[in-house]
Amino acid sequence: RKEVEQDPGPFNVPEGATVAFNCTYSNSASQSFFWYRQDCRKEPKLLMSVYSSGNEDGRFTAQLNRASQYISLLIRDSKLSDSATYLCVVYTGFQKLVFGTGTRLLVSP
Amino acid sequence: EAGVAQSPRYKIIEKRQSVAFWCNPISGHATLYWYQQILGQGPKLLIQFQNNGVVDDSQLPKDRFSAERLKGVDSTLKIQPAKLEDSAVYLCASSAGTDTQYFGPGTRLTVL
Repeated sequence: RKEVEQDPGPFNVPEGATVAFNCTYSNSASQSFFWYRQDCRKEPKLLMSVYSSGNEDGRFTAQLNRASQYISLLIRDSKLSDSATYLCVVYTGFQKLVFGTGTRLLVSP
Repeated sequence: EAGVAQSPRYKIIEKRQSVAFWCNPISGHATLYWYQQILGQGPKLLIQFQNNGVVDDSQLPKDRFSAERLKGVDSTLKIQPAKLEDSAVYLCASSAGTDTQYFGPGTRLTVL
């Protein structure tokens, strides 16, 4: 089983739609979790951190379910500029991150 | 504050040739990482340095890949000889000792 698993997509949604991505992780001892955004041919950039049950930042909400070992990212009122790959990332300790394969989002007019 | 710098941005070589990548982390960041990102996949850690020491190189193909960070600041990653399957983006990241990493723009390697 992979340490971090995501649906690669792509998710095709119209502008204004709400879209949610899920991610599962295998190490129950993992302490912190992140969503990184990666634009085409660019480096990953931190979008949100999730340390407890959840985090909200404007149109973006991340939730953590430790019992089921999954993290979700909800994007409301999708914009064209939200089109990107969203990487689920788990901190495994010793300053080490494990990345999922990413979920590709395409927002169309 | 300057970000993580990498060079070159692009490199095309033939298989069996050698290639080297350079990374300069954010000033003051003690931890430096090299990742390999193959198209359609997430970044995979190759090696992690703490200052000039190796913390983890368990996923580095040591028969062909090598990396060093001699003075605990900038770092080089070398591949010799390159194989077709080494075609990927090589990302360097740095951290100030927390769980947040900052990535450079990457070097896109194509092996023909």
